[in-house]
Amino acid sequence: GAGVSQSPSNKVTEKGKDVELRCDPISGHTALYWYRQSLGQGLEFLIYFQGNSAPDKSGLPSDRFSAERTGGSVSTLTIQRTQQEDSAVYLCASSVSGTSTDTQYFGPGTRLTVL
Amino acid sequence: AQSVTQLGSHVSVSEGALVLLRCNYSSSVPPYLFWYVQYPNQGLQLLLKYTTGATLVKGINGFEAEFKKSETSFHLTKPSAHMSDAAEYFCAVSDKGGADGLTFGKGTHLIIQP
Repeated sequence: GAGVSQSPSNKVTEKGKDVELRCDPISGHTALYWYRQSLGQGLEFLIYFQGNSAPDKSGLPSDRFSAERTGGSVSTLTIQRTQQEDSAVYLCASSVSGTSTDTQYFGPGTRLTVL
Repeated sequence: AQSVTQLGSHVSVSEGALVLLRCNYSSSVPPYLFWYVQYPNQGLQLLLKYTTGATLVKGINGFEAEFKKSETSFHLTKPSAHMSDAAEYFCAVSDKGGADGLTFGKGTHLIIQP
């Protein structure tokens, strides 16, 4: 079956522009996660959705970051007024129900480069 | 707060040799532990996980890991390395519930020498 898909695969933007990153989870998975992978920080957890709700947004790096999920499926991570330190690979994952023991299935990521 | 330490950012072994990638964790509660592999320009793929029960866990591609509570370790091993094993390996812990996501180690780059 289809795995987690993300688009675009690569995004180059200029400092100060807004970007939207999209994630399509595995069909039927209620839990969805966003992570950021960068050379300096490794893999960082950003936000978790259970259905359309994100109980805790404190993992987002700054108030320029926001995320939403609609219809319990597709999620969008938006970065406003991008900065060079936002350059990273943004990974999305989904799992069946979001419990601690669930396997998270990862997408291929979106590589964001801020010039 | 939970944390994961992976000893060695790079590990080099000869093809056919034993692979040992080290992972130690810190957690205030019994953790759930995961090993993921990342091939170049790809997402992360689960190798194996420990939740409850048997402490020796077998995964895909001949890998296995043993949960040792007394040593707070979850080292990954494979008896005989193959060239296709060359990749980045991440150990991760989840102890507060799925809502907190996974906490990853910094990763170990496995190099296979012919």
